[in-house]
Amino acid sequence: GQQVMQIPQYQHVQEGEDFTTYCNSSTTLSNIQWYKQRPGGHPVFLIQLVKSGEVKKQKRLTFQFGEAKKNSSLHITATQTTDVGTYFCAGQAYSGAGSYQLTFGKGTKLSVIP
Amino acid sequence: DAGVIQSPRHEVTEMGQEVTLRCKPISGHNSLFWYRQTMMRGLELLIYFNNNVPIDDSGMPEDRFSAKMPNASFSTLKIQPSEPRDSAVYFCASGPRDRGTGELFFGEGSRLTVL
Repeated sequence: GQQVMQIPQYQHVQEGEDFTTYCNSSTTLSNIQWYKQRPGGHPVFLIQLVKSGEVKKQKRLTFQFGEAKKNSSLHITATQTTDVGTYFCAGQAYSGAGSYQLTFGKGTKLSVIP
Repeated sequence: DAGVIQSPRHEVTEMGQEVTLRCKPISGHNSLFWYRQTMMRGLELLIYFNNNVPIDDSGMPEDRFSAKMPNASFSTLKIQPSEPRDSAVYFCASGPRDRGTGELFFGEGSRLTVL
């Protein structure tokens, strides 16, 4: 079955430093989504990338989708304490019978030291 | 919009008891998903419904788990009998698109502890 690997599992950064998390799929994806989960909270949708090589920005967050549509990254510039949480990628692929399956990576837990 | 509503938020029960978790998706959403989250296994898809019909239940761990969606505004996930290894946070999510595509909107989760 489809597998989505995400690294690193944990990342501790000093406030103001940059942060990057990487996501790799075992299969070609139709799209990739990113979610953020604050401690004790629930996953919240951030963005979806669909096109090969696509790059999207949301303020200090930059999302990339690989040319082969099998990998993606999320980069945060100049982290702030409000960035604390776990960032999940989720790869969507056709699973047959007219439906799609969304598989989540294990997430990268970001800690920001003030 | 109220978002996805789950109940109960917390449940503590003893091994062998029946547990029923409830979910009200966002009105107008066509897809509904049940996920389980643990430290060891992360977010696992248990089952998803499209237009109230179960499409993929391959993630349901075993016969002790069952899920229903009797109408577009309500779903239940039942565990009978419960076991300590079922302890986890169970999330319900709904999506505005068909066939499992598009983004998901998660509820706040039901934290289950089985003693």
